[in-house]
Amino acid sequence: DIQMTQSPSSLSASVGDRVSIICRASQSISSHLNWYQQRPGKAPNLLIYAASTLQDGVPSRFSGSGSGTDFTLTISTLQPEDFATYYCQQSYSTQLSFGGGTKVEIK
Amino acid sequence: QVQLQESGPGLVKPSETLSLICSISGGSISGYFWSWIRQPPGKGPEWIGYIYDSGNTNYNPSLKSRVTISLVRSKNQVSLKLSSTTAADTAVYYCARERQLGDFDFFDIWGQGTLVTVSS
Repeated sequence: DIQMTQSPSSLSASVGDRVSIICRASQSISSHLNWYQQRPGKAPNLLIYAASTLQDGVPSRFSGSGSGTDFTLTISTLQPEDFATYYCQQSYSTQLSFGGGTKVEIK
Repeated sequence: QVQLQESGPGLVKPSETLSLICSISGGSISGYFWSWIRQPPGKGPEWIGYIYDSGNTNYNPSLKSRVTISLVRSKNQVSLKLSSTTAADTAVYYCARERQLGDFDFFDIWGQGTLVTVSS
């Protein structure tokens, strides 16, 4: 099984800040890494697939980078609606798996 | 626009079988993988398994002995059965469509989720 580890597990930031979230895979997954945003009481929503491709309709302030085992989700200028929990997910293995999440809170 | 809706009992007794249905509207089952994913309260999502429109399935090894995912083509539905439940199976259960683009795949459409509590 491929284990996905996110850091930090939570962070506090202000509107307008630049925020980065790290996701590490227990083995190389090439670029088979997706990012989701989840607001309280809602289903996860796809932000980025294939490590760096923005899903249709997702604001350009979101970006993804990385390959192999280390990946980063960056929000360039944090907006009020971005306070949520973010999850990475690998699709390299047929046994799909998610990271534990990073909660972005208001400072 | 494709929409997914989960339905089923919100309360299941320990040792009984959890049964859920995902109803797909606005699109066809064909050409996609259909997954069930669950999320225990306060935790991250856990992939349960998927079924392809051919009927081929793939399950999470940690749940494989207890899980059955099947298609109800006539009703455009995907079903989930999880047997021998315990309190650890308490979670919000989601169905999701897995889309493939070239070598890459991702969950692009999710249902709203349904909370299932396992308790006597």
